[in-house]
Amino acid sequence: GQQLNQSPQSMFIQEGEDVSMNCTSSSIFNTWLWYKQDPGEGPVLLIALYKAGELTSNGRLTAQFGITRKDSFLNISASIPSDVGIYFCAGPTRYNTDKLIFGTGTRLQVFP
Amino acid sequence: SAVISQKPSRDICQRGTSLTIQCQVDSQVTMMFWYRQQPGQSLTLIATANQGSEATYESGFVIDKFPISRPNLTFSTLTVSNMSPEDSSIYLCSDSGFEAFFGQGTRLTVV
Repeated sequence: GQQLNQSPQSMFIQEGEDVSMNCTSSSIFNTWLWYKQDPGEGPVLLIALYKAGELTSNGRLTAQFGITRKDSFLNISASIPSDVGIYFCAGPTRYNTDKLIFGTGTRLQVFP
Repeated sequence: SAVISQKPSRDICQRGTSLTIQCQVDSQVTMMFWYRQQPGQSLTLIATANQGSEATYESGFVIDKFPISRPNLTFSTLTVSNMSPEDSSIYLCSDSGFEAFFGQGTRLTVV
């Protein structure tokens, strides 16, 4: 079945550093979504990507839709303590685009 | 953007009992989705709840264990039945499957 693998699994960085994480799949996705989950909360949508090669920014966050449609990348510039959380990629399933499949997640810790 | 409220936000339950989780959306939506997030894991879709018809369950999830109601276009419930410690998870509801908004989750601990 479809799977989304994220790397790295976790990151421990200093405040002010830039962060890069990615999401890969063995199958093609037509949409990529990036979510952030704060402790004790539900996921919140950060960025949505709809076209291969698309680069979209949301403040300090930038995400790219890989040209092969099998991967996506999320970058966070100048990290701050509130960036702490788990970042998930997600995409609609092949057989029903109303349903989402989620990646394995990247846990980010930011130290002051 | 939709506002989705879940109740309870957390609970500790005895094994063998059942818990019903409520999900309220501030606007009418055609489909609502229920997810399970086991400790340290990603989100896994349990079922899709449609108003006026039975919920559609994903592989590995059955109606007897996770009965779902969808009485109108803004509300749904998920019951976790005959609970065991393995059911300890965060349960989340969302509105549309596409660019979904999520409730804050229900953290369930079964002892």
